[in-house]
Amino acid sequence: GNSVTQMEGPVTLSEEAFLTINCTYTATGYPSLFWYVQYPGEGLQLLLKATKADDKGSNKGFEATYRKETTSFHLEKGSVQVSDSAVYFCALSEAVYSGGGADGLTFGKGTHLIIQP
Amino acid sequence: DAGITQSPRHKVTETGTPVTLRCHQTENHRYMYWYRQDPGHGLRLIHYSYGVKDTDKGEVSDGYSVSRSKTEDFLLTLESATSSQTSVYFCAISEPGNYGYTFGSGTRLTVV
Repeated sequence: GNSVTQMEGPVTLSEEAFLTINCTYTATGYPSLFWYVQYPGEGLQLLLKATKADDKGSNKGFEATYRKETTSFHLEKGSVQVSDSAVYFCALSEAVYSGGGADGLTFGKGTHLIIQP
Repeated sequence: DAGITQSPRHKVTETGTPVTLRCHQTENHRYMYWYRQDPGHGLRLIHYSYGVKDTDKGEVSDGYSVSRSKTEDFLLTLESATSSQTSVYFCAISEPGNYGYTFGSGTRLTVV
């Protein structure tokens, strides 16, 4: 079956540091890949996505590149802020249309990111 | 997200009682999902629906049932709540081709 593995943390960084959160996946087909962010007490928000190999998703200074050869989708940001403190989830979807369907999303366990001023 | 609402937001119930959580969407999306979020497990799929009256089981469906009588509503029922079902429950919606899933704000359920 499908699975997603990501570092769980907590990951603690100083403001303006470089961020990498690793994510690797196992899938039988050609999944779409996602990063979701969850701020304290809130639901999940889509941060970025990539739907095919070599695609780069980006949003709010975060980036991730779909690497089929290494089955990875690592999240990066050049300079983090205190407001980036949250839990980050890597996820995949292998539905036929990749927009929804029988299998929904398969999530990693989440990475708790703490940014100190 | 304003297009998807969950109710109640918080609930405390006793072991053995039935509980129903509601997910309501205004986006007319075809697919709806129920997930539970637990520390150390991330989010796991309980049940999903691919149309009115069309539902199927996810990874952790034991002890849960669902119903979808209208496009906009997806109900999750715990027939006899147990302490192991204490969790945060999230509903999500999606539509084929738009490559995105929208999540509700969650329901925090405590079974005592």
